[in-house]
Amino acid sequence: SYVLTQPPSVSVAPGQTARITCGGNNIGSKSVHWYQQKPGQAPVLVVYDDSDRPSGIPERFSGSNSGNTATLTISRVEAGDEADYYCQVWDSSSDHGVFGGGTKLTVL
Amino acid sequence: EVQLVESGGGLVQPGGSLRLSCAASGFTFSSYEMNWVRQAPGKGLEWVSYISSSGSTIYYADSVKGRFTISRDNAKNSLYLQMNSLRAEDTAVYYCARERGGSPGGWFDPWGQGTLVTVSS
Repeated sequence: SYVLTQPPSVSVAPGQTARITCGGNNIGSKSVHWYQQKPGQAPVLVVYDDSDRPSGIPERFSGSNSGNTATLTISRVEAGDEADYYCQVWDSSSDHGVFGGGTKLTVL
Repeated sequence: EVQLVESGGGLVQPGGSLRLSCAASGFTFSSYEMNWVRQAPGKGLEWVSYISSSGSTIYYADSVKGRFTISRDNAKNSLYLQMNSLRAEDTAVYYCARERGGSPGGWFDPWGQGTLVTVSS
């Protein structure tokens, strides 16, 4: 089965840039979607199709995908960005949805 | 406003059954694919099941295949998850989520608020 690997945690100071990676075999050939989840809340879509942003999501959130790594980049990080972030793809070889293990973003 | 509201969670004994419902509003439910995703306490997200807009195509995670059944009633704007032979490891918050942009393979937006299923004796 297809596996997505994320770092368990990323820490960044306010105003700096956070980069959260999502590794998978030839993930560059898939469409990657990213979700933000704050404690006690449902996940919220922040990036879809590798790099598109839903309406209402700040331009500070961006994404890229190439080779074996997809990346969610959060510029000018704010305290309110502290949350868990998950990447997600569809594995067409098994017809299964797949989530990464999640990354806890801490704003120092 | 697009909204998804889950219900039907609760405490059930191992081996028991439960049926979850997801009521959709604010969009043309019959035009969208839907998914169930779960999250065990303190753990990450796990995809559970997918159903196409017409209900003709269905997929399951290996962990629930043969025990869970996804279905929908487009006339009632509702999605369901029938869960049988429940195990302790099925304990989780269950979310329904609308899928966009794939057939399948798209993104999940929005998500419901979730309903907690606890499997314990």
